[in-house]
Amino acid sequence: GQSLEQPSEVTAVEGAIVQINCTYQTSGFYGLSWYQQHDGGAPTFLSYNALDGLEETGRFSSFLSRSDSYGYLLLQELQMKDSASYFCAVNSGGYQKVTFGTGTKLQVIP
Amino acid sequence: EPEVTQTPSHQVTQMGQEVILRCVPISNHLYFYWYRQILGQKVEFLVSFYNNEISEKSEIFDDQFSVERPDGSNFTLKIRSTKLEDSAMYFCASSLPTGSSTDTQYFGPGTRLTVL
Repeated sequence: GQSLEQPSEVTAVEGAIVQINCTYQTSGFYGLSWYQQHDGGAPTFLSYNALDGLEETGRFSSFLSRSDSYGYLLLQELQMKDSASYFCAVNSGGYQKVTFGTGTKLQVIP
Repeated sequence: EPEVTQTPSHQVTQMGQEVILRCVPISNHLYFYWYRQILGQKVEFLVSFYNNEISEKSEIFDDQFSVERPDGSNFTLKIRSTKLEDSAMYFCASSLPTGSSTDTQYFGPGTRLTVL
């Protein structure tokens, strides 16, 4: 089966940097994605890693280590609007099958 | 900017009734998906659909669920005989295949299904 583990909650100060970790156990791994979801809203795609290393998109970066079955999302220069839930998700099994992690609720405080 | 739309935004039904949730994917997208999210829990994959057939489905997607693309724009999820535990937010998503092993999925705003 598939399983992805993330911390349930993280609190960080506005302007700071926060890292959200994700460990996974899956079969047929293709890549690791990250999604943001505000309360009552739909998931929004943030980033995707298929290969080991760091991918940077503006204030957000995502890292993958396939050998460690581990990835993280790095958010820099935190803003209040970054308060949301963040989900890692694995493309596995077959093409276009996505398994989401348990989600990390990020609270940004002044 | 193109977006995925879903109707209705909220559906209330009695246990045992059939419901149809509707989605209009982004017009040039070719892959379509349904997910559900029980309140406070993670997003769960239900099914993906391509070229008028199911390409992947999860163990949640049992015989009471079905999907259809009845015309060139709509994508529907039917639940034949709803159960209390089907109460959840249902998200539709679509993607445009680019040849990579994953493509950005764009999610609709969701339909909140409440089964009484």
